[in-house]
Amino acid sequence: QSALTQPASVSGSPGQSITLSCTKTSSDFGGYSSVSWYQQHPGKAPQLIIYDVSLRSLGVSYRFSGFQAGNTASLTISGLQAEDEADYFCSSFIGGDTVIFGGGTKLTV
Amino acid sequence: QVQLVQSGTEVKKAGASLKVSCKVSGYTLSNQGVTWVRQAPGQGLEWMGWISGHNGNTNYAQNFQGRVTMTTDTSRNTAYMELRNLRSDDTAVYFCARGWRVNYFDFWGQGTRVTVSS
Repeated sequence: QSALTQPASVSGSPGQSITLSCTKTSSDFGGYSSVSWYQQHPGKAPQLIIYDVSLRSLGVSYRFSGFQAGNTASLTISGLQAEDEADYFCSSFIGGDTVIFGGGTKLTV
Repeated sequence: QVQLVQSGTEVKKAGASLKVSCKVSGYTLSNQGVTWVRQAPGQGLEWMGWISGHNGNTNYAQNFQGRVTMTTDTSRNTAYMELRNLRSDDTAVYFCARGWRVNYFDFWGQGTRVTVSS
């Protein structure tokens, strides 16, 4: 079972802001490192959009921002556009040598 | 410009072995490693493990230990992932990505689609 829990789906209208969550749900791991976020369009490879909780990857729009409070990391997309419709996955480096991914959130615009 | 280019589509029988290659350019494999991630149809991302390009050290996800072997050929700047004793639930797209023991993966291969039939 995944130790990073994401809602299965979120929807929004063009121009709106939405927030996707990623909650650490397991206490079995020695420690989590900073969360990263990936965007994946159908049939494509994932693309890194946020790393170390809040840093935008090169070329990623300022409309994407990340933050963390307690056990929940969040990705906010402002000014939603049709091209933002995709799957979003969070990820964390845990226990010193392992990576886990959340189950992913399907964003519908 | 960093690129990772993977080998093509594979169709395998249950019980067979699979070997996917990932040729990297724009960076030196010996300086950074490679991670392997797979995605079953309609499912999420599953980390399989990673390999250091410097010394070949590996760490495999528990789900794959005993069935997977990751290697590199630094002279060819190419990483390989071998998965043995294939089952139908190994049907997935397999991705390589730049990085070993890091908390994010900034460049990804295009994916290799693998179908396992019984």
